[in-house]
Amino acid sequence: EVQLVESGGDLVQPGGSLRLSCTASGFIFNKFWMNWVRQAPGKDPEWVANIDPDGSVNYFLDSVKGRFTISRDTAKNSLYLHMYSLRVEDTALYYCARGGDTAYRQFDSWGQGTLVTVSS
Amino acid sequence: EIVLTQSPGTLSLSPGERATLSCRASQSVSSNYLAWYQQKPGQAPRLVIYGASSRATGIPDRFSGSGSGTDFTLTISRLEPEDLAVYYCQQYGTSPTFGQGTRVKIK
Repeated sequence: EVQLVESGGDLVQPGGSLRLSCTASGFIFNKFWMNWVRQAPGKDPEWVANIDPDGSVNYFLDSVKGRFTISRDTAKNSLYLHMYSLRVEDTALYYCARGGDTAYRQFDSWGQGTLVTVSS
Repeated sequence: EIVLTQSPGTLSLSPGERATLSCRASQSVSSNYLAWYQQKPGQAPRLVIYGASSRATGIPDRFSGSGSGTDFTLTISRLEPEDLAVYYCQQYGTSPTFGQGTRVKIK
């Protein structure tokens, strides 16, 4: 069974930094693109970033480019989102979601999310 | 960026009725990279349909998807109480985007 478990969410002040983690199990982690998707309270989901199986190619939502980075560790079956210069509008539940063998695939498994609150 | 507009905003139907949800894209969705997700209260989204018309694993056959280009439809043929949820369409080409959702309420 595919499982994705996020962690690292916290209350942080504007301008602060945070690292989110997602631990994967139940599938061959290094065969799949992985995604971060966020959902602000009462709002629609918003794709944030993705990374290829090798960890060498990644794409970002325009509003987070230059502030967020994404990485993965195959040995630990883990996906990371490094967030810097956080803004109030980054407040959301952050999900990791499995993609496919190419960039253009549906998100077929999701974690339960980790909450990031940016507030002074 | 491809903008997805869903309609109606809310659908209120009785069990056994047919639900038809619409998703319109601001430009053609390449290769029908269009998915539908179901999100129940307090849960993560769950994949229902991908490739515009393929059912995801474990999804009942009362769910079906259709459409191409800029117009897509999710149909629930006979509504069940457990289908109460918000349904989002998503295009998963370059820079994936989601629609604003249709809330399905059971009368």
